[in-house]
Parts: sequence; structure tokens; C-alpha cells
Amino acid sequence: DQQVKQNSPSLSVQEGRISILNCDYTNSMFDYFLWYKKYPAEGPTFLISISSIKDKNEDGRFTVFLNKSAKHLSLHIVPSQPGDSAVYFCAASESGATNKLIFGTGTLLAVQP
Amino acid sequence: GAGVSQTPSNKVTEKGKYVELRCDPISGHTALYWYRQSLGQGPEFLIYFQGTGAADDSGLPNDRFFAVRPEGSVSTLKIQRTERGDSAVYLCASSPRGGITEAFFGQGTRLTVV
Repeated sequence: DQQVKQNSPSLSVQEGRISILNCDYTNSMFDYFLWYKKYPAEGPTFLISISSIKDKNEDGRFTVFLNKSAKHLSLHIVPSQPGDSAVYFCAASESGATNKLIFGTGTLLAVQP
Repeated sequence: GAGVSQTPSNKVTEKGKYVELRCDPISGHTALYWYRQSLGQGPEFLIYFQGTGAADDSGLPNDRFFAVRPEGSVSTLKIQRTERGDSAVYLCASSPRGGITEAFFGQGTRLTVV
């Protein structure tokens, strides 16, 4: 079963606009959530994370929102830039197993100049 | 280079053969992870080393898979009697102390079993 789901395989936005990437999870034991960015032929790169005790975490142009009751998180990128074009993975872990990440299937973001 | 190095970058092998995939972590990093990414999927956890020991090997799919890190630096992932379903990109990551958010991933080894 897919414990972390990214239901949008791809997303296209215009440069300067907001990109919103969504992620849903089913395991109520997850308490730490991360977003990774991956360019072709490279390994994933950590982007931003959020603990379940928070509902928002911001880092520059990137903000992650967590809605625990809905088991939903989202990554907002504003303003979007062409260099943000990549595959974005949502990942989650349980308390006590923080190094064992469960990843979603990824969303390909294309930012059009 | 200063990053995580994985060799070979590509490996094609016949079904039933044995393969070894190598990971050279960033110097001084005590934690090392192996993940694999099948086509159309996200990375899937295999094993996590802290130093020389496997702190969590719960992701290894079966006893055909084994990983070692004898001196606490280089790690080798070994797959016996390969099957077509083992075809994937095998990713290695290392971090200074053990926090996954501090981990740097290598570019991966693409394994194709024919």
C-alpha cells in the first residue's frame, strides 16, 4: 500500500507565479515530513521539512503546510523560477525511525519562462 | 570529488547473476543509507548504517540482498541471484552524524537485469 501519495504526476506554472505541490499520507504514526527536489541524473536534494508539532515552516521562497487532521501537506514555491523545474518528492517518517523515509511517487514541476 | 560517489553508474547483468554496487560517502560522514528507486516510484528505504553497523536493515526485501560497511566508510550493496524485478536506480546517501535532513545523495547506480 502507498502510505505517501502524490496524486499529481506533473504540474506546469508560469515563472513568477505560485507553485503548489500536494501530498497525502495514510499512516497516523508519521510525525516528520520532508520535501526533496531531484534533477535528472542526480540524487535527491533535501529542500525543507516540518515536524508534526507545527503546521507551517518557511524557508525563503519555500513554505510547507501541514494539516494533520486531513493527513495532507503541501509545498508552496513563490515566486516560481525556471530553475525550480524538477521532480519533487514528499517523504515521511515515524518517531524512532527518523532515518527510514517513506517517499511518494513524485511530482514533475515545469516552470515556464 | 567532495560528494557521494557511486560506482558503477550503470550496470547491466543477466538474471541469476551476482552484483556488487559500491558507495563512497563523503569523508567523515558516519551515517550511510541505501535506497532504491524503481521506475515511476519514489525512493524506497533499504538499509541505514551508523559507523560499521547496520542500525536498520528492515528495508532489505529478502535474503538475496546484503550490505556491508566494514571500515565505516565505503559500503557495498550485494545482490545475489538477481531478478528482473531488481532493476532500479540504487541510491546511496551519507550524513555527518545521522540526520537524514543533512544527508547528501549520490547520483545512483542504474541496475538493469536482463
